Amino acid sequence: GAGVSQSPSNKVTEKGKDVELRCDPISGHTALYWYRQSLGQGLEFLIYFQGNSAPDKSGLPSDRFSAERTGGSVSTLTIQRTQQEDSAVYLCASNDRGGGYTFGSGTRLTVV
Amino acid sequence: GENVEQHPSTLSVQEGDSAVIKCTYSDSASNYFPWYKQELGKRPQLIIDIRSNVGEKKDQRIAVTLNKTAKHFSLHITETQPEDSAVYFCAASREGNTPLVFGKGTRLSVIA
Repeated sequence: GAGVSQSPSNKVTEKGKDVELRCDPISGHTALYWYRQSLGQGLEFLIYFQGNSAPDKSGLPSDRFSAERTGGSVSTLTIQRTQQEDSAVYLCASNDRGGGYTFGSGTRLTVV
Repeated sequence: GENVEQHPSTLSVQEGDSAVIKCTYSDSASNYFPWYKQELGKRPQLIIDIRSNVGEKKDQRIAVTLNKTAKHFSLHITETQPEDSAVYFCAASREGNTPLVFGKGTRLSVIA
């Protein structure tokens, strides 16, 4: 596609529920990244996929967080048993073998 | 791992004046240093980047300088305009090998 697409744009969920966030990167981009941005804060790295290599999961804050990338394209970030501290904007980005990232518009997650 | 420090956290300038934002990084192997602009409620967008094989890069009113020895880089905006008001993030990485690590951001306000 023309840009990085994320869905849903907003998600309100009850504490303890599981959520799935979707990212559709720019076609042909080999690398895909997930970041989290809490209100008024910086961008916290979560996970990174590069081609067929094993993902870099070093930024995932707990084992409640997981992500997969199917067919080298679409990625899903799953948060199990959501907590209030998980509330944030989840941003996905992609690029092709280096260079600047193109970010999606993000999913604003609110855990109530 | 990489650690990026950014300052100031907030900056107010009069329209037409210059603005400077500074970042330091810790990983001497980092070789890619982009700057992103994030307007309120929008996604971060790449405005300029520099690689470790050059010391300065300019694009109209924006310039970035890099001092590899001191491990710091700076963003310079000249002739500031109200539309420059936004949060600016610096970042660093080993291009193509590690994900970007971002600074905590600088909120720039340009006062007309």
